Amino acid sequence: DTEVTQTPKHLVMGMTNKKSLKCEQHMGHRAMYWYKQKAKKPPELMFVYSYEKLSINESVPSRFSPECPNSSLLNLHLHALQPEDSALYLCASSRTSDDTGELFFGEGSRLTVL
Amino acid sequence: AQSVTQLGSHVSVSEGALVLLRCNYSSSVPPYLFWYVQYPNQGLQLLLKYTTGATLVKGINGFEAEFKKSETSFHLTKPSAHMSDAAEYFCAVSSLFGNEKLTFGTGTRLTIIP
Repeated sequence: DTEVTQTPKHLVMGMTNKKSLKCEQHMGHRAMYWYKQKAKKPPELMFVYSYEKLSINESVPSRFSPECPNSSLLNLHLHALQPEDSALYLCASSRTSDDTGELFFGEGSRLTVL
Repeated sequence: AQSVTQLGSHVSVSEGALVLLRCNYSSSVPPYLFWYVQYPNQGLQLLLKYTTGATLVKGINGFEAEFKKSETSFHLTKPSAHMSDAAEYFCAVSSLFGNEKLTFGTGTRLTIIP
């Protein structure tokens, strides 16, 4: 199993809503990542979890709150988002965060903030 | 500091023609170089990578790339384009510090002309 599964695939929310994006992998990877991708742009790193601990927060606004309940799951909690937060949110995993090998990406959750 | 520059945000080639996507890198330490592909409405998938050793790297779907230190380049090629190659291609660089420092280029959209 070499898949990273993200749910939901599409999400529309208002600026006052609270929602969550979920990511799951069963490859035994110990590093998991959240990226944000705007249209026609490369992915931008948001957060890195290494062995279930947050190791990198790329100055992301507090309206985005990551959570890693266990080594297979990664959540991104969303609250009071702005329309400019509309984007494709990609989850990825790798064996470890200091591994220079392959990042495995999910298909993404496309978020629209109204 | 490290960065990659992808020359040409859009490349169009005829079906059956040579594909050449250009990538130049800048890194103060020996680089690890990657090409990722993103099909419409999907996540990123690793095409190939260079870490150490042989400078000509072969990847999936008939793609290959050559690491040229003297030219600081890592161009992606495929001898004969197929309609299914239409996608966005991202060059990326990291170092021995691992995936936390993976830096993506701005991407090249490849269009295949029937």
